[in-house]
Formats: sequence, C-alpha cells, structure tokens
Amino acid sequence: EAGVTQFPSHSVIEKGQTVTLRCDPISGHDNLYWYRRVMGKEIKFLLHFVKESKQDESGMPNNRFLAERTGGTYSTLKVQPAELEDSGVYFCASSQAIWDEQFFGPGTRLTVL
Amino acid sequence: AQTVTQSQPEMSVQEAETVTLSCTYDTSESDYYLFWYKQPPSRQMILVIRQEAYKQQNATENRFSVNFQKAAKSFSLKISDSQLGDAAMYFCAYNGAGNQFYFGTGTSLTVIP
Repeated sequence: EAGVTQFPSHSVIEKGQTVTLRCDPISGHDNLYWYRRVMGKEIKFLLHFVKESKQDESGMPNNRFLAERTGGTYSTLKVQPAELEDSGVYFCASSQAIWDEQFFGPGTRLTVL
Repeated sequence: AQTVTQSQPEMSVQEAETVTLSCTYDTSESDYYLFWYKQPPSRQMILVIRQEAYKQQNATENRFSVNFQKAAKSFSLKISDSQLGDAAMYFCAYNGAGNQFYFGTGTSLTVIP
C-alpha cells in the first residue's frame, strides 16, 4: 500500500512568488492534515480536511495560504505571495478516522529567498 | 491551548545501551492520546508508539516503551538495546478533543557505534 506522498520534495522561490504544494493521502483516508515546521521549532498544525470539507483551519497563518481538496482525494496548499517567514518544511498527514494514527508524508522543504 | 515540551534538543546513546527521551505536556482535557514519532534522516515520519490517556498500563512496542505519568503530565520514551537505525529526530505529540496534533520541538538522537 502506498503511503502519503508529497510533491515537490524541495521548492526554492523568491519572495512574492507563488508556490503550490501537493499531497496525496493514503487511498481511503478521509482525514487529511497539513502541518508546518519552521527551522528548529515545533511542528505546527495548519488545517484538517474531512473528505473535501475543511474541518478545522485554525492553524492557517494568514490569507496568503489557501488549501483545497477538491473531490476529497489529493490536496493542494498554495502560498501567494510567498514571504520569507513562510520557509520551512510542510508536512501532510492522513488518517482513516479521527483519533486514528496519522500517517505522514516526507514533507516539502520550502525556501523563500 | 495544549503544549508539548521536549527539553532535550539532542541526546546520544552507545549502541546496545538504553536511553530515555523526556516529554511533558499541558492540558485540561481528560481524554487524549499521546504519540512518539520518529523521523530518520530520509525525512518520513513514522509512528513509534501510542498511548491512550485512559489506559494506566504503559504502552510497549518491542524495544520501545513509555513511562506515562498522567498526574505529572509526563510521557517519556525508553529505547532499550539501542541500534544504529534508531538514530533519528524523535517528536512527542498530543492529540485531544480538537483532533489537532500538538508536537514538541523534537529530540535528535545519535547512536554511537
């Protein structure tokens, strides 16, 4: 069974540009989560989808971040326009049900110059 | 809000020896789950062990065990007979009623041959 995949693995962009990160959860997992780790700090929750609906987006830092999960399968996280402080590793995770173990993807390392 | 604290940024252990990684958390909830995740240098985070707060018995998974002290809000991870493959970043995580994962800042474990 394939795990959670994320694309790209690395992205280097300039301040003001747009970047879109993609996450493919494990097939059949209704719950999809986005997290972010800024260098040396804790991993922080961004948002949670149940199927295509946003269950909780309380962790989204500001309106420059837009997450979608059309059709309840893969999800995208767009940052527009990117700022320096957006640099970090963005993790996606999925679970079959709430309270279940969350399976994490390898992360996308975003560097904003 | 819940917080998770890992006070040891780095730890090292001799191969075949035992090491304990500490984790404390703060919460007002009575039902929750605690996790230890491991992130090897290849970056994919994987679950090491999970503890339900309502269970008094400490969880064990082969060489990995926890010391869960609910009243003290402590959740340490013991790795016995350490192996080179145990070298990784270890994250303690809390999952409560909001179903968000709250992570600590991580402990980088080095295994010395």
